[in-house]
Amino acid sequence: QKEVEQNSGPLSVPEGAIASLNCTYSDRGSQSFFWYRQYSGKSPELIMSIYSNGDKEDGRFTAQLNKASQYVSLLIRDSQPSDSATYLCAVNRGNDYKLSFGAGTTVTVRA
Amino acid sequence: GAVVSQHPSWVICKSGTSVKIECRSLDFQATTMFWYRQFPKQSLMLMATSNEGSKATYEQGVEKDKFLINHASLTLSTLTVTSAHPEDSSFYICSAPLQGHSYEQYFGPGTRLTVT
Repeated sequence: QKEVEQNSGPLSVPEGAIASLNCTYSDRGSQSFFWYRQYSGKSPELIMSIYSNGDKEDGRFTAQLNKASQYVSLLIRDSQPSDSATYLCAVNRGNDYKLSFGAGTTVTVRA
Repeated sequence: GAVVSQHPSWVICKSGTSVKIECRSLDFQATTMFWYRQFPKQSLMLMATSNEGSKATYEQGVEKDKFLINHASLTLSTLTVTSAHPEDSSFYICSAPLQGHSYEQYFGPGTRLTVT
């Protein structure tokens, strides 16, 4: 079992719709959870971090964490063509600074 | 957010030569930095953890004699690809955690290496 798994893509959504991205992790002791956005040919950019159960909203992005289910998600509301990118879920176990990354989900927003 | 820079942003070198890539944390100190490699349409692959003032820790399967890492100061880590071959052509990215901020990591812009 991989440490971090993301729903397989690619995910295609129409402009203005909600894009829903899912991520599960295997280590129950994980402490910190992150979503990165990576445009083609660029490096990852941190867009959301979440540490406690529940929802965290930042603009059009909402991260949701459920530690009991070992599940973290990212919702992108009012999707824009500029949101077209690969989204990486990353998890930190809390014992060092190393992150475990999922394989990423590629999102395409259709105009 | 924190800023991490890399230099050069791209480099072309001939097979058999060595290439040095620099990673700098511009507005914070980083005792730890990470080096990743990414091939086209693939996910990030962690190569090694760079530790200021001590030896780097390499992931399984990464040749430490080929990928030399030096972390000489709290703001600079370097990766040297020695005796580069075409199969080393890749996108090399460094990252640094913002200590005291719950393990948030910030990535440099990456270095695209092409070995001819």
